[in-house]
Amino acid sequence: EAGVTQSPTHLIKTRGQQATLRCSPISGHTSVYWYQQALGLGLQFLLWYDEGEERNRGNFPPRFSGRQFPNYSSELNVNALELEDSALYLCASSSTPGGYNEQFFGPGTRLTVL
Amino acid sequence: GQNIDQPTEMTATEGAIVQINCTYQTSGFNGLFWYQQHAGEAPTFLSYNVLDGLEEKGRFSSFLSRSKGYSYLLLKELQMKDSASYLCAVMDSNYQLIWGAGTKLIIKP
Repeated sequence: EAGVTQSPTHLIKTRGQQATLRCSPISGHTSVYWYQQALGLGLQFLLWYDEGEERNRGNFPPRFSGRQFPNYSSELNVNALELEDSALYLCASSSTPGGYNEQFFGPGTRLTVL
Repeated sequence: GQNIDQPTEMTATEGAIVQINCTYQTSGFNGLFWYQQHAGEAPTFLSYNVLDGLEEKGRFSSFLSRSKGYSYLLLKELQMKDSASYLCAVMDSNYQLIWGAGTKLIIKP
């Protein structure tokens, strides 16, 4: 069974540009979560999608947005990039949004903003 | 606000036992998770506790006390490959995972 996949592995952008990150969940998983992990820091929750709808978002500005497609894959968009957006962006998926809800993580996208 | 506290860094010796503590204050509780994250890699699931008590899984055990808002991860017979960050996360009433900053565990020969 294929795990969570993310693309691209690395992304280099300049300030003010826009970045798009992609995630494909494990087959059968309907929930997708996005996290930001800045160097040396813990995971910060960004967004949660389930069944195509945004269920919750973390304490991030509106320039962080995303969507979930009918096949449950997801996209994270970051507009007007700032230097402090440089981080590892992790996507996770789970089979159900409640109860026992182990999240399986993808390898991440390393975003560097110059 | 919601808060998860873990020590920033711990050092232990190969073959020994180490206990990593986690205290939490969250709006609601739907379980506590421990994940392992090696440098540069994605987190991988270690354990899940939703009821009080000890869950044992091989060399790793996890304990939960809901009344105290406290958990620990116990690692026995430490191996060099156990050098990693250990992340504590609590699922709140909205089924959102609240993450601690992680504990970096350094294993010395």
